[in-house]
Amino acid sequence: RKEVEQDPGPFNVPEGATVAFNCTYSNSASQSFFWYRQDCRKEPKLLMSVYSSGNEDGRFTAQLNRASQYISLLIRDSKLSDSATYLCVVKISSGSARQLTFGSGTQLTVLP
Amino acid sequence: DGGITQSPKYLFRKEGQNVTLSCEQNLNHDAMYWYRQDPGQGLRLIYYSQIVNDFQKGDIAEGYSVSREKKESFPLTVTSAQKNPTAFYLCASSRGEVGETQYFGPGTRLLVL
Repeated sequence: RKEVEQDPGPFNVPEGATVAFNCTYSNSASQSFFWYRQDCRKEPKLLMSVYSSGNEDGRFTAQLNRASQYISLLIRDSKLSDSATYLCVVKISSGSARQLTFGSGTQLTVLP
Repeated sequence: DGGITQSPKYLFRKEGQNVTLSCEQNLNHDAMYWYRQDPGQGLRLIYYSQIVNDFQKGDIAEGYSVSREKKESFPLTVTSAQKNPTAFYLCASSRGEVGETQYFGPGTRLLVL
């Protein structure tokens, strides 16, 4: 089983729609969680960190469910410019330095 | 402007050739990383470095080598031992401990002729 799993999509939604992505992680020692956005043939960029209490940034809401070991990203009022691949990222700390683990991404296309 | 630069944008490698990918950052970040991304897959860590003159293998280090002689620079060499080098290579850096928010360079696409 992969450490971080995402539905690859693609998700094709009309402008103005609400869309949600889930990401599951297998290691219960995971400490920090992030969503990155990657445009086609570009580098990933941090979209938002995910906090235990959930957090919102404009049209984007991220939530964490530690009991079920998943995080989610909700995008409201989708814009054409939201079309991208969304990467779920998990940090696992185990006493020694550990790197971030990236999911393979969920592809979103917002249609006019 | 602070940021991470990678060069070249595209690189072609012949069979049996070693090639070096450049990564430079002026963010004063301590940690730097190299990832490989294949189509439809997530990023896989090749090497990372927390401080100058020190680096650690990631999940797929075989066939690659790095150096960290300066804080700003973390070049990656793809050796002839790497049998399937065609991929998108991303360099990243972070301010403090490994695993903090990472900032990525624009990437280098390596193709084998």
